[in-house]
Amino acid sequence: DAGITQSPRHKVTETGTPVTLRCHQTENHRYMYWYRQDPGHGLRLIHYSYGVKDTDKGEVSDGYSVSRSKTEDFLLTLESATSSQTSVYFCAISETLPGGAYTFGSGTRLTVV
Amino acid sequence: GIQVEQSPPDLILQEGANSTLRCNFSDSVNNLQWFHQNPWGQLINLFYIPSGTKQNGRLSATTVATERYSLLYISSSQTTDSGVYFCAVEEGGSEKLVFGKGTKLTVNP
Repeated sequence: DAGITQSPRHKVTETGTPVTLRCHQTENHRYMYWYRQDPGHGLRLIHYSYGVKDTDKGEVSDGYSVSRSKTEDFLLTLESATSSQTSVYFCAISETLPGGAYTFGSGTRLTVV
Repeated sequence: GIQVEQSPPDLILQEGANSTLRCNFSDSVNNLQWFHQNPWGQLINLFYIPSGTKQNGRLSATTVATERYSLLYISSSQTTDSGVYFCAVEEGGSEKLVFGKGTKLTVNP
């Protein structure tokens, strides 16, 4: 693997609680991304980062926030979890843009009950 | 934004058969990648191919950027090829990949 880990791998949480997912990389790549995967929708971009403290929104950013205080860590926070945020969350890294090849983490399966 | 369409949505093959998966996109791109998601959910990067042809073992890919499509060829398919194949493109200057909805491939023994 390219040195990208996600934690936790599985989580069950209650509606209304905050949840933080972590993505950690050891590749010193500049770009990091959070995607969610849902049946019938493929992978959709939530937020991405192009450097420390530099982040931007993707197509499905409502209800999510991110932070990147170090190159190696990119955190995704669900401010108040809802059932519609039940999904599989993937983190990805890329060294360069344009044209950088993406490497994905193993995913976090989040269930909001 | 850019649109990515993959076909067919589902494909069932017998082991040993060949197949071609297609990805059409609606605008010019400077990044195109193919991924395989195995039955355990892991996403593996197969090719980075904004133009031209590449080969890796039994898999090869061709992108014709001027005509806005890419093809993924799988020869002599094996049961381990089963899973979902995604095409993803980056529109010029956008800094992010947009994914198609995938082709689900099932290879039967």
